[in-house]
Amino acid sequence: QQPVQSPQAVILREGEDAVINCSSSKALYSVHWYRQKHGEAPVFLMILLKGGEQKGHEKISASFNEKKQQSSLYLTASQLSYSGTYFCGTEGLAGYSTLTFGKGTMLLVSP
Amino acid sequence: EAGVAQSPRYKIIEKRQSVAFWCNPISGHATLYWYQQILGQGPKLLIQFQNNGVVDDSQLPKDRFSAERLKGVDSTLKIQPAKLEDSAVYLCASCRSSYNSPLHFGNGTRLTVT
Repeated sequence: QQPVQSPQAVILREGEDAVINCSSSKALYSVHWYRQKHGEAPVFLMILLKGGEQKGHEKISASFNEKKQQSSLYLTASQLSYSGTYFCGTEGLAGYSTLTFGKGTMLLVSP
Repeated sequence: EAGVAQSPRYKIIEKRQSVAFWCNPISGHATLYWYQQILGQGPKLLIQFQNNGVVDDSQLPKDRFSAERLKGVDSTLKIQPAKLEDSAVYLCASCRSSYNSPLHFGNGTRLTVT
């Protein structure tokens, strides 16, 4: 099943913070986060494994609550370069791994 | 390292015609994916290969779509015949193994069916 992302879109001013959520109806092995700029390919940000670890990439961090089957992406002190569409991808606990993406959250950071 | 290569970048065809896309993954990446991304939506998995074997093709419309991965390296995705609703960006991605590995995406092929 496709994970559900919220919100669908966020508009920020440079320096503000944002949180993007991703939830799944099935048990998860891991959650991936990618950012896609207009007309470009998605670019990997980070992977979170079950175990509730939190990861960071510059001023972008994420958490994974495996009991709630949810992940959140935190963008602090946003920069213009953070603009784009953020996708979470989830891996289930099946015998093989298939990454299923959400519909995405569009983030626009203005000066 | 060189990235995932895809060609062509753009393709315009009429409905009922056929089209093929090519993908060369990053060297050493055993897993290859084809995703379909319709404007405004997330990538939807069409088929996943592990080396040259199919792992998941449950969402591939097999009456019109086919894919192969020759010798566990390059892959081609074919649509025959195309429908209007096939208009999308077709993304190829690869990763080292099937678990815990980040996906590396190619720039995609934008297909327009008229």
